[in-house]
Amino acid sequence: GENVEQHPSTLSVQEGDSAVIKCTYSDSASNYFPWYKQELGKGPQLIIDIRSNVGEKKDQRIAVTLNKTAKHFSLHITETQPEDSAVYFCAASIGGGSEKLVFGKGTKLTVNP
Amino acid sequence: DAGITQSPRHKVTETGTPVTLRCHQTENHRYMYWYRQDPGHGLRLIHYSYGVKDTDKGEVSDGYSVSRSKTEDFLLTLESATSSQTSVYFCAIRRGGTYEQYFGPGTRLTVT
Repeated sequence: GENVEQHPSTLSVQEGDSAVIKCTYSDSASNYFPWYKQELGKGPQLIIDIRSNVGEKKDQRIAVTLNKTAKHFSLHITETQPEDSAVYFCAASIGGGSEKLVFGKGTKLTVNP
Repeated sequence: DAGITQSPRHKVTETGTPVTLRCHQTENHRYMYWYRQDPGHGLRLIHYSYGVKDTDKGEVSDGYSVSRSKTEDFLLTLESATSSQTSVYFCAIRRGGTYEQYFGPGTRLTVT
């Protein structure tokens, strides 16, 4: 079945630096790739997503890039702030139907003031 | 928060007892999901529903059943709880006309 691998599992950066989290997926039919941010004790929050017909999408300080040929996608956070500290999850749709998602295991991002 | 509430928010139960978790939504979404979250495993799909009385299994469905008799409620039942079902359970909805899933606040279940 579909598998999503996420790296790194932990990431520590200085405030103001950039952070990059990478995911690879196995199902070439996957066509939807969301990213979630989860703060301690809360549910995951959708922060950005990308469809397979788009190579890059930006929203203020966050961006996602998709390489369909290599089957990987990445989250980029620029000018990091302490409030960006959280666990980030990537996900990929299973097959072309997009009813179901499979998630990576998460990256714990710490932004040091 | 996409109008999702989960109840209870915390529960401690003993091995072998039945447990039902409730997910309630107020925005008439067709798709609803149950996930579990465990350290080192991320989020894993248990069951999902694509309409009233229409449900299907996810990747970790063994030991769980679901029911959806009304659009707004999606129930997850552990018929006989085991310690391996200690986890945080999240409900999610899929916003109509999109692929976007939005999560509820979660239920922390401890099986002793």
